[in-house]
Amino acid sequence: EVQLQQSGPEVGRPGSSVKISCKASGYTFTDYVMNWVKQSPGQGLEWIGWIDPEYGSTDYAEKFKKKATLTADTSSSTAYIQLSSLTSEDTATYFCARITYYVMDAWGQGASVTVSS
Amino acid sequence: EIVLTQSPTTIAASPGEKVTITCRASSSVSYMYWYQQKPGASPKPWIYDTSKLASGVPNRFSGSGSGTSYSLTINTMETEDAATYYCQQWSSTLTFGSGTKLEIK
Repeated sequence: EVQLQQSGPEVGRPGSSVKISCKASGYTFTDYVMNWVKQSPGQGLEWIGWIDPEYGSTDYAEKFKKKATLTADTSSSTAYIQLSSLTSEDTATYFCARITYYVMDAWGQGASVTVSS
Repeated sequence: EIVLTQSPTTIAASPGEKVTITCRASSSVSYMYWYQQKPGASPKPWIYDTSKLASGVPNRFSGSGSGTSYSLTINTMETEDAATYYCQQWSSTLTFGSGTKLEIK
């Protein structure tokens, strides 16, 4: 069974950084691209970017190019997103989602980030 | 960036009623994808390649469209279908629609 297990809730101070993990199991991690999606409270879905774990190649939505950094550790089958220079606008739930033929066919449970002083 | 506009934003339907959700793209896209999300849960793939149902999706759902106009239809509404539905394209930089909240009347 394909599973994406995300790390727990994070609280970050304005201006700081947080790093969320997404541990994959039930499939070969390097065979699939991983997407990241943001959902602000009560709002819709926003695509952040993707990473190809095999090659480490990435692509980002323009809005997140200076905000998010995607990485992957193939030894632990874990994808990461680091969010920098936190502001209140970054308070949201962040999902990782595996891509299969353009479909996000498996999702993590979401990781909440709260920015608060 | 291709902007996806969903309508309506919110809709209430009675059990047994037919429901149609529309997604219009600001430029032509090759395929449309749909996701279902219930409160407190992760989104689920629902329709892919415009008209193919994801695994486990009841066949009362269907998808259609081309170019800049796409739709998701529920032939006969059931209570379990109450959720928010998002369209998504990846013909260029990936974007989502703003979502349509479907409620039970």
